[in-house]
Amino acid sequence: DTAVSQTPKYLVTQMGNDKSIKCEQNLGHDTMYWYKQDSKKFLKIMFSYNNKELIINETVPNRFSPKSPDKAHLNLHINSLELGDSAVYFCASSQTGGASNYGYTFGSGTRLTVV
Amino acid sequence: KNEVEQSPQNLTAQEGEFITINCSYSVGISALHWLQQHPGGGIVSLFMLSSGKKKHGRLIATINIQEKHSSLHITASHPRDSAVYICAASNRDDKIIFGKGTRLHILP
Repeated sequence: DTAVSQTPKYLVTQMGNDKSIKCEQNLGHDTMYWYKQDSKKFLKIMFSYNNKELIINETVPNRFSPKSPDKAHLNLHINSLELGDSAVYFCASSQTGGASNYGYTFGSGTRLTVV
Repeated sequence: KNEVEQSPQNLTAQEGEFITINCSYSVGISALHWLQQHPGGGIVSLFMLSSGKKKHGRLIATINIQEKHSSLHITASHPRDSAVYICAASNRDDKIIFGKGTRLHILP
C-alpha cells in the first residue's frame, strides 16, 4: 500500500561499481523526483520527470542517469560509484498543479554507502 | 548565503510550549513547502502554500509573500513532534531549493 516505494533501503557497494535505485509510486502522480541528502542532512534536487520527460537536471555528474519507463517509475542509475556519492537518496512524486494541501509524497530513502 | 534560510537551526522546548520556526527566502516562488523529517529519516510533506495560512491539527503555516517569509507554528507541542523541519521554495519550473532544516527537540 506504500505510496512511493524505493528499493533498496540500504546499499553498500565498492568504488567503481554501477548500481541502480528503483522508485515506484501508485498515486497516479505525473511528476517524480530524485533528491540527494548529504552527510550534513542538506537536501538538493537532482532530477525531475513529468510524464516520462526530463524536466529538471541539476548539476549532477553524468555518471547519474535517471530512467523513467513510465510515469509511475523513476529509477536512478549510477555508474562508476565514488566515495562522495555516499548519501541518502530520496524519491518523491507530486501532481503538478494539483489542489492538494500537501505538495510532495516522499519515499523512505535509500542510504547508499560507497566503500 | 543560502537562498532559503531557516531559523533557529536548533530548538529545544518543553512539552506544551508554542513553537515557531521561521523561513526567509530570496528567490521568486510559486509555492513554499514545509517538510518534516523524522529521526528515522523518513520525510513527510506537511504544507504547501502560496499565500495566507493553512492549518492541520496542531500545525499552522503562514506565508507573507511581500516579506518573503514563512512561519511554521506548533501549538501544544509534544515529544513526538521532535524532528527536523525543512522549509523549501519551489518555482513555476518545479525547481526546489531547501533550507538547512531546524532540529526541534521537545522535552517531556
